Amino acid sequence: DIQMTQSPSSLSASVGDRVTITCQASQDISNYLNWYQQKPGKAPKLLIYDASNLETGVPSRFSGSGSGTDFTFTISSLQPEDIATYYCQQYDNLPPTLTFGGGTKVEIK
Amino acid sequence: EVQLVQSGAEVKKPGESLKISCKGSGYSFTSYWIGWVRQMPGKGLEWMGIIYPGDSDTRYSPSFQGQVTISADKSISTAYLQWSSLKASDTAMYYCASGRNWNHFDYWGQGTLVTVSS
Repeated sequence: DIQMTQSPSSLSASVGDRVTITCQASQDISNYLNWYQQKPGKAPKLLIYDASNLETGVPSRFSGSGSGTDFTFTISSLQPEDIATYYCQQYDNLPPTLTFGGGTKVEIK
Repeated sequence: EVQLVQSGAEVKKPGESLKISCKGSGYSFTSYWIGWVRQMPGKGLEWMGIIYPGDSDTRYSPSFQGQVTISADKSISTAYLQWSSLKASDTAMYYCASGRNWNHFDYWGQGTLVTVSS
């Protein structure tokens, strides 16, 4: 099984700060990685798919990069409405499985 | 507008059976995968499995294989998640989610809270 290590588990940053979250896979997963945002009490929302593709309607301050085993999710300028928990999610084709990272809770300092 | 509307909260006793639902609208129900995701209280997201309503192709996470059954009725654009014998550890929020590709979820339901307690 592929394991996903997401870090940090939580962070506190000021409005306007650049925020970076990483996700590391236990083996090469190419670009098979997605990022979701979950606000308190709400369902998750897809932000980035296939490592770097911005989902339609998602603000451009959100971005993703990486391939192989190391991936990065960035908020270029943190906004108050970005308070949420962010999850990476990898997928494997053989057999079809999805695995979520442990999540990163983002708070405003 | 794509919508996934899940059935309401449930309170059950250990050993009881349960079937929760997820009704899709605003898109071609048979052309999108639907998955189920568990979120235990205060915890992260866990993928349970997916189904393609067009042909009922179903895949399960190894962690949930044999523990739950995923099904769909394309005539009423509804997917289901069911348990034959609930445990207290099944207490969680359950989300359905759909996507044109099986490997990521573009649309999510509002969640169904299942509480299992004696």
